Amino acid sequence: AQSVTQLGSHVSVSEGALVLLRCNYSSSVPPYLFWYVQYPNQGLQLLLKYTSAATLVKGINGFEAEFKKSETSFHLTKPSAHMSDAAEYFCAVKGYNFNKFYFGSGTKLNVKP
Amino acid sequence: EAQVTQNPRYLITVTGKKLTVTCSQNMNHEYMSWYRQDPGLGLRQIYYSMNVEVTDKGDVPEGYKVSRKEKRNFPLILESPSPNQTSLYFCASSDSQETQYFGPGTRLLVL
Repeated sequence: AQSVTQLGSHVSVSEGALVLLRCNYSSSVPPYLFWYVQYPNQGLQLLLKYTSAATLVKGINGFEAEFKKSETSFHLTKPSAHMSDAAEYFCAVKGYNFNKFYFGSGTKLNVKP
Repeated sequence: EAQVTQNPRYLITVTGKKLTVTCSQNMNHEYMSWYRQDPGLGLRQIYYSMNVEVTDKGDVPEGYKVSRKEKRNFPLILESPSPNQTSLYFCASSDSQETQYFGPGTRLLVL
């Protein structure tokens, strides 16, 4: 079975500071990897996904993530946080041969003025 | 507009009273899925469907049923709801089993 670990259920940064949200996965085969964002009282929206092409993946709203197979990590970064980035972020994984998706427990990002 | 819709958005019910949460997508997607979201646990997959009449269990299927008689619809059925099924439910669809598009969610309270 696959699993996803997100370190830090809450992360707080100042506006303009670097955002780093951590995600590690366990997978016996190269996976598909995703980051989703959830704004209050809304569904999940795809930020970016890794599907075995470039290891550095760029997403919407200035976010990017780097797939590091040796570390089984897919951390999400943004150089400069904006107040509108305050939301909950979920990392998810799916294997090539599986139809199941596995989500991390989520990280709530707070952006301070 | 491409979207996934769910109804109802909010539901309060009592233990044992059967209920159905509907999910519909207008993107002609083959793959659909149901999740429940609980604080600190993220999203957990309940059931998924790869096409009409093809469904399979996710990680937490106990107490739930689904059906896929039409490509666009994937209802979630709770035959005898219990308080531990109080949760936020999301339906999602995908055409390639990769990127999922999520509905707005259904908040269920079982008393």
